[in-house]
Amino acid sequence: NAGVTQTPKFQVLKTGQSMTLQCAQDMNHNSMYWYRQDPGMGLRLIYYSASEGTTDKGEVPNGYNVSRLNKREFSLRLESAAPSQTSVYFCASSEALHRGQGTDTQYFGPGTRLTVL
Amino acid sequence: DAKTTQPPSMDCAEGRAANLPCNHSTISGNEYVYWYRQIHSQGPQYIIHGLKNNETNEMASLIITEDRKSSTLILPHATLRDTAVYYCIVKTPRGSTLGRLYFGRGTQLTVWP
Repeated sequence: NAGVTQTPKFQVLKTGQSMTLQCAQDMNHNSMYWYRQDPGMGLRLIYYSASEGTTDKGEVPNGYNVSRLNKREFSLRLESAAPSQTSVYFCASSEALHRGQGTDTQYFGPGTRLTVL
Repeated sequence: DAKTTQPPSMDCAEGRAANLPCNHSTISGNEYVYWYRQIHSQGPQYIIHGLKNNETNEMASLIITEDRKSSTLILPHATLRDTAVYYCIVKTPRGSTLGRLYFGRGTQLTVWP
């Protein structure tokens, strides 16, 4: 049981390049999340997926797109990277079933450290 | 979701109890208090959560005041590996935010030998 895995661990891009960050969980969770963390800051939510087939914007969605490929996988795409997107990206998942059921404990991956030059 | 206030930093001697406070004076009746921590360069880790009763698990204890306007996370015997940023988060488990966590800047706990 690996929990939440993310690839790659590190990435360096040039301005304007595109890339996709991959995230997978093996806990059969319904909900998945993408956060970014800048130096000295807390985490900010980019996008989330309450369940397979749905995605919604978080606090800072501009410049990103997401795909909930299936129940296990949730990817984050940067179409045209900018230096302002240099950050550490964390994926998380939670059971988050229907209202009043399940648990909202979120489990986080190890992060992807992205530098945009 | 209610806003939380935490001291930016605290320190604690190894083997002693670490008591991390959190103020959430605008908390509403259905909002839970969650605690996470983030060890340097790692993803955040869930610690504990509660509504109004005190809670304990293998990692920590959570003490919530009777008026629910503040809480304290207690690590009973801090070790060097407990050095981390600790986040106090107040939110409803369901509803329109549907599980989203709003992280502030947290408290940097440093455990010294």
